[in-house]
Amino acid sequence: DAGVTQSPTHLIKTRGQQVTLRCSPKSGHDTVSWYQQALGQGPQFIFQYYEEEERQRGNFPDRFSGHQFPNYSSELNVNALLLGDSALYLCASSFQMNSPLHFGNGTRLTVT
Amino acid sequence: AQSVTQLDSQVPVFEEAPVELRCNYSSSVSVYLFWYVQYPNQGLQLLLKYLSGSTLVKGINGFEAEFNKSQTSFHLRKPSVHISDTAEYFCAVSSSGGSYIPTFGRGTSLIVHP
Repeated sequence: DAGVTQSPTHLIKTRGQQVTLRCSPKSGHDTVSWYQQALGQGPQFIFQYYEEEERQRGNFPDRFSGHQFPNYSSELNVNALLLGDSALYLCASSFQMNSPLHFGNGTRLTVT
Repeated sequence: AQSVTQLDSQVPVFEEAPVELRCNYSSSVSVYLFWYVQYPNQGLQLLLKYLSGSTLVKGINGFEAEFNKSQTSFHLRKPSVHISDTAEYFCAVSSSGGSYIPTFGRGTSLIVHP
């Protein structure tokens, strides 16, 4: 039973560039949530997707956007990267927005 | 809105000793409570959860936690730790009946010495 998978595992970008991170949910899950974890901090909620729509959003600017595909996989896009966007980005999946989250191993984004 | 305070940023302990990681939460509504563990270079793994019912919750790897509504606490305990328990531990809260979007604390680093 495959868990939550994220790609790539590591990424280095330059300030001002754009980045796309990808996530495949755990088998049987249909909801995807994205979190940002800065070094030494707890994860911060970015947004949640269910039925291909953004259902809830945390306190993140519009530079952060996402998408969910019919197969439930998801992408996180960040435009106009800032140095402060450097973090571990975690994807988590659940069932019908109504079960505890299962996390992937994350994508480590470094902005230089 | 909810918030979580993890009272200790770092807890050093010797192997086979008991440990308690403290967590207090703030919420104006009923809550669900969670503890997650994060090993180096990995994502978060659910240790245990409180949704309803018994206030003493048992999780994986010998951990347990007790929900105390009057003190708004959800402390994590293990009677005897192993070197392999060295990791970052996160307490999290979400509103019950909501969409299970937890708010996380800043984490407690458990360091187990031989």
